Amino acid sequence: KAGVTQTPRYLIKTRGQQVTLSCSPISGHRSVSWYQQTPGQGLQFLFEYFSETQRNKGNFPGRFSGRQFSNSRSEMNVSTLELGDSALYLCASSWGGGYEKLFFGSGTQLSVL
Amino acid sequence: AQKVTQAQTEISVVEKEDVTLDCVYETRDTTYYLFWYKQPPSGELVFLIRRNSFDEQNEISGRYSWNFQKSTSSFNFTITASQVVDSAVYFCALSTGNQFYFGTGTSLTVIP
Repeated sequence: KAGVTQTPRYLIKTRGQQVTLSCSPISGHRSVSWYQQTPGQGLQFLFEYFSETQRNKGNFPGRFSGRQFSNSRSEMNVSTLELGDSALYLCASSWGGGYEKLFFGSGTQLSVL
Repeated sequence: AQKVTQAQTEISVVEKEDVTLDCVYETRDTTYYLFWYKQPPSGELVFLIRRNSFDEQNEISGRYSWNFQKSTSSFNFTITASQVVDSAVYFCALSTGNQFYFGTGTSLTVIP
């Protein structure tokens, strides 16, 4: 059974650009959530999607957005990149979300120059 | 407000020593779940354990054990006879049903 797949693995962008990250959950999982990981800050929750609807949202600016497709694949978009957006972005999936354990991908390492 | 605190930023132990990773959480919810995840250098977080707020039984799985105490809002994790393969960053997390709250992680280095 394939795990959570995130692409690309690495990205280098410059300030002001926008970026789209992709996440394919484990087959059958309908909940996909996104996290930003930076040194010293741990994992910060961005948002969660379930059946193509954003169900929960963390405390991030509107430059961070996402969507989920009918096959549960999800994309995350960051517009007008800032230096502080440099981080490891992790995607996690589960069957229904809530209290279920999360299965994580290897992440996309984004560097903003 | 929900919060998870892992006060130990970095720990180094010599192989075969026991090590305990501390986790303290804050929540006003009566129903919640606690988790531990391991993040090796590859980056992917690996699930270790999940406990609900109603079950305070300690748990042992091989060399791993967990001590959940609601009275002190703690969910500590002990590795017995540590091995080099245990070197990783360990995260404690709290789920209240709407989202996960992670601690800042404890980086464990096991020296051969």
